[in-house]
Amino acid sequence: DVKVTQSSRYLVKRTGEKVFLECVQDMDHENMFWYRQDPGLGLRLIYFSYDVKMKEKGDIPEGYSVSREKKERFSLILESASTNQTSMYLCASSFYGAHGYTFGSGTRLTVV
Amino acid sequence: AQKITQTQPGMFVQEKEAVTLDCTYDTSDPSYGLFWYKQPSSGEMIFLIYQGSYDQQNATEGRYSLNFQKARKSANLVISASQLGDSAMYFCAMGLANAGGTSYGKLTFGQGTILTVHP
Repeated sequence: DVKVTQSSRYLVKRTGEKVFLECVQDMDHENMFWYRQDPGLGLRLIYFSYDVKMKEKGDIPEGYSVSREKKERFSLILESASTNQTSMYLCASSFYGAHGYTFGSGTRLTVV
Repeated sequence: AQKITQTQPGMFVQEKEAVTLDCTYDTSDPSYGLFWYKQPSSGEMIFLIYQGSYDQQNATEGRYSLNFQKARKSANLVISASQLGDSAMYFCAMGLANAGGTSYGKLTFGQGTILTVHP
């Protein structure tokens, strides 16, 4: 089975901290995505990447950046965490042409 | 731009009954794909079913079927013979697809519907 692994299930960080959320997939997928999930808003796309060192902004990129130095790893970076970034963060990957994503189990981030 | 709307924040169904979860979409792209995902309380996202915009027949996967009405831009999920384990959040999503009906790229998700199955 394809696995997408997010490094932390729960994180608590302080306002102003730099936060790294890591995502690793083990099936050589070209595409990787970062979403945040909030009640009543569903999943919203933050950033995505179609290849190594490539990145594109999603619908809500403000306050975030990403890094994809290796094909299997896609990192989400909160440069200076704020309380409004408290959320569930979901990473996903897919092949070009695949039906749907494979998701990680999510990281619930709380910024205090 | 693509938009997905799920107007039912919560739905209740009796065990063994059928239930329909609504999804409407908006896009100017002629070729697209529609997805449904299930998210149990554990948080994992589980792919359920896919429909390409050029598919002539409604997609089915076991107890799940997708009622695709292209003119109305709706893609409702029908779950037959509900089970207690069907209690979860359900998301409708869409993305671009090629002429062969294979989706690619980013997905746009709806707000989700919480389904509760009563014994």
